[in-house]
Amino acid sequence: LAKTTQPVSMDSYEGQEVNITCSHNNIATNDYITWYQQFPSQGPRFIIQGYKTKVTNEVASLFIPADRKSSTLSLPRVSLSDTAVYYCLVGGLSGGYNKLIFGAGTRLAVHP
Amino acid sequence: GAGVSQSPRYKVAKRGQDVALRCDPISGHVSLFWYQQALGQGPEFLTYFQNEAQLDKSGLPSDRFFAERPEGSVSTLKIQRTQQEDSAVYLCASSLTSGSGNYGYTFGSGTRLTVV
Repeated sequence: LAKTTQPVSMDSYEGQEVNITCSHNNIATNDYITWYQQFPSQGPRFIIQGYKTKVTNEVASLFIPADRKSSTLSLPRVSLSDTAVYYCLVGGLSGGYNKLIFGAGTRLAVHP
Repeated sequence: GAGVSQSPRYKVAKRGQDVALRCDPISGHVSLFWYQQALGQGPEFLTYFQNEAQLDKSGLPSDRFFAERPEGSVSTLKIQRTQQEDSAVYLCASSLTSGSGNYGYTFGSGTRLTVV
């Protein structure tokens, strides 16, 4: 399974755009890139998933370069409520299911 | 229900006691996962069910850990003779299909187990 590397922590201010980059040099051809968000005392929550190029939804954008060895989660105009841990996961179907492997994540702190 | 429900929300067990943690997945969801999350760490995979079949239990840390999903819906994670190192949050996740699809897995809020 591909290993991911992302910053341990980041700080930002309300209204700013936040970009969290994840490295995954050993990504396999059938692997997808998925990001989850976790607030204290809650389970992780799916944010966005992509395979290549750019994906955008109502919450975030995901940028994936052509070599797919990295990806960047972009959060537009963050607010205090975006303070959370963000996990980058890489994986695909293996044995008929996708076993999510979490790393330590990036702790984002948004300040007033 | 609308989401994945886990009970109890908190559990304090004396060392050596057996515990049972319950997960009610979203109705109709085929896939069910259990994860263990230590303080300050990311969730770690424990086991996977596809309907009632336990297809992967490679993450269970010892034979004291046992999971079941007898009717393909509710699942129970049982820990026998609890030890202090079992203290963690236990998360359950479910998905409509065997893959994560376009919307990922839905996680419950977890059960925080403290072994004293």
